[in-house]
Amino acid sequence: QSALTQPAAVSGSPGQSITISCAGSISDVGTFNLVSWYQQRPGKAPTVIISQVSQRPSGTPTRFSGSKSGNTASLTISGLQAEDEGDYYCCSYAGQQTLAYVFGTGTRVTVL
Amino acid sequence: QVQLQESGPGLLTPSETLSLTCSVSGGSLSGYAWSWIRQSAGGGLEWIGRIFSNGKINNSPVLWRRITMSRDTSKNQVFLKMTSVTAADTAVYFCARDIYGSGSYFDLWGQGSLVTVAS
Repeated sequence: QSALTQPAAVSGSPGQSITISCAGSISDVGTFNLVSWYQQRPGKAPTVIISQVSQRPSGTPTRFSGSKSGNTASLTISGLQAEDEGDYYCCSYAGQQTLAYVFGTGTRVTVL
Repeated sequence: QVQLQESGPGLLTPSETLSLTCSVSGGSLSGYAWSWIRQSAGGGLEWIGRIFSNGKINNSPVLWRRITMSRDTSKNQVFLKMTSVTAADTAVYFCARDIYGSGSYFDLWGQGSLVTVAS
């Protein structure tokens, strides 16, 4: 099972909106509404910011939102802030009988 | 507040067996699965496998021949062993609490344990 495909880098100015795509397949993103997104700052462990495609765990700012269409999930940051710089990874459940989870390739977000 | 802490050898030579421990404090293993995830220097995250609190295991089909997972519920610890390591296994290894089922995401992570394989 291949990694989910994300753009390597996305940038935006403070206050702008950016969207990160996460392209999978019918075996993962397309079948399960179990896509999560993680933010990782340098030298730190990832932290979950979106679960189950569009749910915000407690503590996730409302400017982060998630969606899914077909085999592609998306993370949107509305009103980009300097503290949003970092790496973002999507992850999809892929079924218990095979590879349970598959991660995306990761996207570096830069705030200009 | 539940916290996870990985511990491991740091440096291994090729062909050795990697042994990692994830210690869970402030809570128990019950009701969750516990996943191992690694991140190589290139940055990508790779799911290795998970163990449920009842002992059931799911493994990555890429690594299953080389990995063994176990847990000690009395000590709130989970363990990962990986045989015949090579330089390609050099990575930061994380353990993470796996909200399996209707959630299927990782809500808590350890800080990671750097494992370097070099001769």
